[in-house]
Amino acid sequence: GQQLNQSPQSMFIQEGEDVSMNCTSSSIFNTWLWYKQDPGEGPVLLIALYKAGELTSNGRLTAQFGITRKDSFLNISASIPSDVGIYFCAGHLQGTYKYIFGTGTRLKVLA
Amino acid sequence: TAGITQAPTSQILAAGRSMTLRCTQDMRHNAMYWYRQDLGLGLRLIHYSNTAGTTGKGEVPDGYSVSRANTDDFPLTLASAVPSQTSVYFCASSSSTGSKGYTFGSGTRLTVV
Repeated sequence: GQQLNQSPQSMFIQEGEDVSMNCTSSSIFNTWLWYKQDPGEGPVLLIALYKAGELTSNGRLTAQFGITRKDSFLNISASIPSDVGIYFCAGHLQGTYKYIFGTGTRLKVLA
Repeated sequence: TAGITQAPTSQILAAGRSMTLRCTQDMRHNAMYWYRQDLGLGLRLIHYSNTAGTTGKGEVPDGYSVSRANTDDFPLTLASAVPSQTSVYFCASSSSTGSKGYTFGSGTRLTVV
């Protein structure tokens, strides 16, 4: 079945640093989503991307939908301790309700 | 607050016993899903339902069953639990098109011993 390769698997960064993570796939998706999961909670939607090449920001977060529609990246600027968590990408399979989820990037911020 | 309610929050279950994980949403979403989350494997789809009265198998359906008698409820049943079913289970829902992604519950942490 379809797979999303998400990297890196984990990151340890200093507070104030910028973060970048990405997802790639062999399949074409018509929507990319980025979620964040806080410890002990379910994933919460951060950013949704609907068009190839689209660049969208949500506060310190910026995400882009790749031109080929097979990849996406998420950047976090000036990280803070509450950015800690697991970040998931998800791609929407055209013609279905289904999203394929990446395996997640675990982010830890050192104060 | 509108959203998805899962119960119980956590459970320790003896192997061989049965259990039903409950999920209720109040957003009138047509589609609902059950995922399990395991370290290093991300979120894997167990079963889904596109609308009340219909269900389908996901990526890892063996050992699980679901029902969708109405729009709001989507229970997940383990008929005879095994240790490999130790996981965190998330229920989610979406609109018919799914274009705005899923809304997730807070999860049920299940330990099978």
